[in-house]
Formats: sequence, structure tokens, C-alpha cells
Amino acid sequence: DTEVTQTPKHLVMGMTNKKSLKCEQHMGHRAMYWYKQKAKKPPELMFVYSYEKLSINESVPSRFSPECPNSSLLNLHLHALQPEDSALYLCASSPQTGYGYTFGSGTRLTVV
Amino acid sequence: QQQVKQSPQSLIVQKGGISIINCAYENTAFDYFPWYQQFPGKGPALLIAIRPDVSEKKEGRFTISFNKSAKQFSLHIMDSQPGDSATYFCAASGRGGADGLTFGKGTHLIIQP
Repeated sequence: DTEVTQTPKHLVMGMTNKKSLKCEQHMGHRAMYWYKQKAKKPPELMFVYSYEKLSINESVPSRFSPECPNSSLLNLHLHALQPEDSALYLCASSPQTGYGYTFGSGTRLTVV
Repeated sequence: QQQVKQSPQSLIVQKGGISIINCAYENTAFDYFPWYQQFPGKGPALLIAIRPDVSEKKEGRFTISFNKSAKQFSLHIMDSQPGDSATYFCAASGRGGADGLTFGKGTHLIIQP
């Protein structure tokens, strides 16, 4: 299995909702990442989870909360989002931090 | 501060031609330079990657050229096909990747039949 699987593929949520994005990989990769991508822009790093240590991009608002239940799973919990948070959210994994990234197909999030 | 500069922003090439996309970086701590291809609504897919200890790497129709002294690297797509029409991103990482991948702004490539 050489894929990163993200669910759901599409999500529409209100500004008062709580939702979660899920990411799973079975390649034995030790690092997993969340990226945010706006239309016609490159992906921007949100969080890195590597060797059970979480690194946070300090510019990411607290309404985004990552969770890593085990080395194969990565969640992104969403709460009180704003319309400007609408974007494609990408999960990626790599054998070691910084090299050989594999990206999932993303979750298209719309905040209404 | 943009650490990886990519050009051109858009590119139109005739079928069978060579597509060339260039990137320049500033951070000398970078030691891994991948190229990604992205189709609309999909995640980026790794095309080819290079480390600074080699000057060129070829995989099929895709070639990376790397100039460490100039801090530049480029992607060449030989015999470009309409199916190659996509957005291409160069990227860089290093120092254990604590900062993740740093992406260029992307090149929208169109291959005309």
C-alpha cells in the first residue's frame, strides 16, 4: 500500500460546527503532515507529527487542532472555523521527516 | 520571505516540445529538492527528486538539473504530451524537515496538441 488516504473528500460546515478530517497511511512512514492549499497557491505547512513529536506552525489559528492516535493515523479537528478557512486540506507522510513525501488527494472544505 | 522562487508562472508548449521550469532557493541548509505535479482537485504527486550531491537525475521523460553553486534547479519535460498539462511545484527541505517542505509558487503548464 503506497497511498495516503484522506476522508472525507468533501466537507461543508457551518461556522459553529465541530468536524474532523482523517488521514491514514500504511507505508510505515514515521512522519505525517497537514497542509492547507488555497486555489492557485502552493500548499502551506500547518503541522508536522514526527516520531511522536508534534511541531506546530505558530501562525495556524487554535481553531485547528491536530491529533495523532498512532503512527498510521492523523486527524485534524476543526472548530469555529471562518469562511476564509475554506481550502483543500492535504495530508502527507514521509519515511523520515523532510524527505520522500507522499500526499493524499485532500479534503475540500467549505465553511459557510 | 519566499525561500524558493519558481518561474515561469505559466507556460504553453507544443506537443512534442521540451517544457522547462526553473527554481532558485536561498536557504543553503536545504538538501532535498523534489518536483510535484498537481491536477485540479487532486493532491500533489511526486515526480522526481534530487539531492545536492548530483548535478542531474533522469526518470523517463523527466530530468532535474541541479546547480549547487548557483542555488538553482530546473525540471525538463521531454516530448511533452497533452496529459502533462498540470500545475508543477518545485520544493525544498532540509535540516530534518522540521519546517516541512517549502514550495515554489507553481507553474501552470499547458501542452497544446
